[in-house]
Amino acid sequence: DARVTQTPRHKVTEMGQEVTMRCQPILGHNTVFWYRQTMMQGLELLAYFRNRAPLDDSGMPKDRFSAEMPDATLATLKIQPSEPRDSAVYFCASGRDLTDTQYFGPGTRLTVL
Amino acid sequence: DAKTTQPPSMDCAEGRAANLPCNHSTISGNEYVYWYRQIHSQGPQYIIHGLKNNETNEMASLIITEDRKSSTLILPHATLRDTAVYYCIVRARGGADGLTFGKGTHLIIQP
Repeated sequence: DARVTQTPRHKVTEMGQEVTMRCQPILGHNTVFWYRQTMMQGLELLAYFRNRAPLDDSGMPKDRFSAEMPDATLATLKIQPSEPRDSAVYFCASGRDLTDTQYFGPGTRLTVL
Repeated sequence: DAKTTQPPSMDCAEGRAANLPCNHSTISGNEYVYWYRQIHSQGPQYIIHGLKNNETNEMASLIITEDRKSSTLILPHATLRDTAVYYCIVRARGGADGLTFGKGTHLIIQP
């Protein structure tokens, strides 16, 4: 059963530290989406890629967040420096194409102290 | 902003059919209705989607009204594991963007 995997599942860090979250999309999927979920804002789209190229990152705070796809099997989301307001669950989703159904990973729960 | 309206919560007895409504009165002709659910502490899970015809798969059925302004997700025999937040999402056919999630319906299956 093909699934999206995310690491780490949980991360606790201190304010100011760099955080890197990783996502392995389902093999053969060429689109990757990053979402963030908080109690206050719910699920929000941060950025997405197609064929490893970023298409839209307008949902991300530009000064501290960056998203990349070093290769077709790995997507990364970095926060530098992290702040307490970044505490959230970060989800990665992949699809066969932009218009296809999106399949979500289990998420990374980030706590910034 | 989400283009859909859902009741914030619903209860359903285990073994009964759970019928979750969704209003999408501003839906346009090229927009699909998608349903996802999120079980506590897990990632959203795709359930079903449709354009104008009713759809059924191994998880659920989707009934879309003829004017397409509303739809109902039906879980035919709800179990305790179906307790989750259910999201109804409108997405353009060929839409090359992410999903816009609203607040969804918290479905609680009662034993």
